Amino acid sequence: AQKVTQAQTEISVVEKEDVTLDCVYETRDTTYYLFWYKQPPSGELVFLIRRNSFDEQNEISGRYSWNFQKSTSSFNFTITASQVVDSAVYFCALSEAVGNQGGKLIFGQGTELSVKP
Amino acid sequence: ETGVTQTPRHLVMGMTNKKSLKCEQHLGHNAMYWYKQSAKKPLELMFVYSLEERVENNSVPSRFSPECPNSSHLFLHLHTLQPEDSALYLCASSQDYHSSNQPQHFGDGTRLSIL
Repeated sequence: AQKVTQAQTEISVVEKEDVTLDCVYETRDTTYYLFWYKQPPSGELVFLIRRNSFDEQNEISGRYSWNFQKSTSSFNFTITASQVVDSAVYFCALSEAVGNQGGKLIFGQGTELSVKP
Repeated sequence: ETGVTQTPRHLVMGMTNKKSLKCEQHLGHNAMYWYKQSAKKPLELMFVYSLEERVENNSVPSRFSPECPNSSHLFLHLHTLQPEDSALYLCASSQDYHSSNQPQHFGDGTRLSIL
């Protein structure tokens, strides 16, 4: 069965601290895709990154970095030198490449990040 | 600006009212989605349309009725809702429902409150 677990419900840090948001997934498929979305207080989910199951290379985009490890079924997200504007709920999601439901996203419960000045 | 526009942003209605939520995407996508996000709960997929055809209906009560007149527009018609239906309703679109590598692009959502 497909499942995404974000064990951290809420995280609070002080500005300029580094913070890592955990994501663990379950799937029986060998081909799948992982996503991270950010949901600021305004409500919309903003797409941050997509990673396919064959590419374990870590990715860095400015202050954001992602660590994908198939051996532990994890796709963790690190924000370096956090800022108040990073305060949001962050969702990890999984989609599988099999069958006719390839476009279906399975979301984790979300992690609410609060960055205090 | 995500290319997905939802109206209204906020809606307060009584349990006997009938209202509709509207979603429009300007991305040329073929698939559109309705999600429900309740407080402290994960996103729940409600309906999926691919090329204007409903492809998924996740046991949603009949008081929610979707409509997709074309690939750019999606509606959610509401009638005789219950207080537990108060939530943020999010619309999303993606290039192709059957392409699992395509991200979904979300609108700002409609925050619905049932009195």
